[in-house]
Amino acid sequence: GENVEQHPSTLSVQEGDSAVIKCTYSDSASNYFPWYKQELGKGPQLIIDIRSNVGEKKDQRIAVTLNKTAKHFSLHITETQPEDSAVYFCAAGDSGSARQLTFGSGTQLTVLP
Amino acid sequence: NAGVTQTPKFQVLKTGQSMTLQCAQDMNHNSMYWYRQDPGMGLRLIYYSASEGTTDKGEVPNGYNVSRLNKREFSLRLESAAPSQTSVYFCASSGPAGGHTQYFGPGTRLTVL
Repeated sequence: GENVEQHPSTLSVQEGDSAVIKCTYSDSASNYFPWYKQELGKGPQLIIDIRSNVGEKKDQRIAVTLNKTAKHFSLHITETQPEDSAVYFCAAGDSGSARQLTFGSGTQLTVLP
Repeated sequence: NAGVTQTPKFQVLKTGQSMTLQCAQDMNHNSMYWYRQDPGMGLRLIYYSASEGTTDKGEVPNGYNVSRLNKREFSLRLESAAPSQTSVYFCASSGPAGGHTQYFGPGTRLTVL
């Protein structure tokens, strides 16, 4: 089955700096890569996703890059703000209608004011 | 439009007791999922239902049963709870209208003594 590794497990940055979280996956059949943000006491919420026919996708301060050859993808957050502090999860899955996702172990991001 | 709702929010059980976690979605999604979240391990899929009337095992199904009651509702049952089932449980749903993005509920925090 699919295996997703995520690094780092914790990340602290100064407000205004950039944050980068990296994930690798094992199954070359995976073609859908979402990123979720989880705030304390809440369920995960999708913040951005990318499909394997695209190398990069950007949404305001958030971007995701995908390297299918190397089987890794990354989340980039620029101009970080205190409200970006949360746990971030990457995931990988197939394109089936019931899209099974395998999640990484999560990154606790802390943005210091 | 409430999205994905889960009941209860918190539950404490004694070893050997049974309980059912309830999940409902109002987004007309075909697929529904149950995950458990443990510290440092991300989210792991317990069971999923690709469509009404079907259920399939995920990564960690042992000790659980599920019922897809109708298109809206997907319940998770612990027949004889064990301390190893102490976790936070999340329900999610997805459908073609949303590009199969998984939307998560707020979670149920379960403690088994």
